[in-house]
Amino acid sequence: EVQLVQSGAEVKKPGESLRISCKGSGYTFTTNWIAWVRQMPGKGLEWMGIIYPGDSDTRYSPSFQGQVTISADKSVSTAYLQWSSLKASDTAVYYCARSGTYSGYETDYWGQGTLVTVSS
Amino acid sequence: QSALTQPASVSGSPGQSITISCTGTSSDVGGFKYVSWYQQHPGKVPKLMIYDVTNRPSGVSNRFSGSKSGNTASLTISGLQAEDEADYYCSSYTRSSTRVFGTGTKVTVL
Repeated sequence: EVQLVQSGAEVKKPGESLRISCKGSGYTFTTNWIAWVRQMPGKGLEWMGIIYPGDSDTRYSPSFQGQVTISADKSVSTAYLQWSSLKASDTAVYYCARSGTYSGYETDYWGQGTLVTVSS
Repeated sequence: QSALTQPASVSGSPGQSITISCTGTSSDVGGFKYVSWYQQHPGKVPKLMIYDVTNRPSGVSNRFSGSKSGNTASLTISGLQAEDEADYYCSSYTRSSTRVFGTGTKVTVL
């Protein structure tokens, strides 16, 4: 069974750093892209970026380029989303999602979401 | 890149059909056949409903169908049911090899 299991909720202060994770299982982790998606409270989905764990090829949405870092460690089948200096506006639920096995341009399995709260 | 444009809300009575539009540009929706649709119930994880404009994943009801004309894609829900009440998002591949979501549409079953 394909699963993406994300790390738990985080409460941080502005200016702090953070890395959240997404561990894949039940499939070959290196052969499907992993995307990160933001959902701010009461708002819609925003596509942040995508990584191919096989070679760490990474693409960012222009809105998130330079604001976050996406990485992956294929040895532990885990993708990461990282901030070096959090802002209150980073408060959101963050989802990881796997590119699908149909054409690869859809996402078929999603993690359960990680709530990140940034507050002084 | 800007979010794809969807109506904020669409409503219909049980048994009716509704259509949600998703308008982009020739750099995303109009330029590729890679539009997908997602359903999200409150507090839940998004679920893939349509991929590659018109295709349904295994297990998704055939009451859901997709289409595209020019820079606008559409999701049609026929035989509307109470369980269809949710938020719906389109997504498209883009010329920059990234993806972009739509603004989201709240579907209400009257």
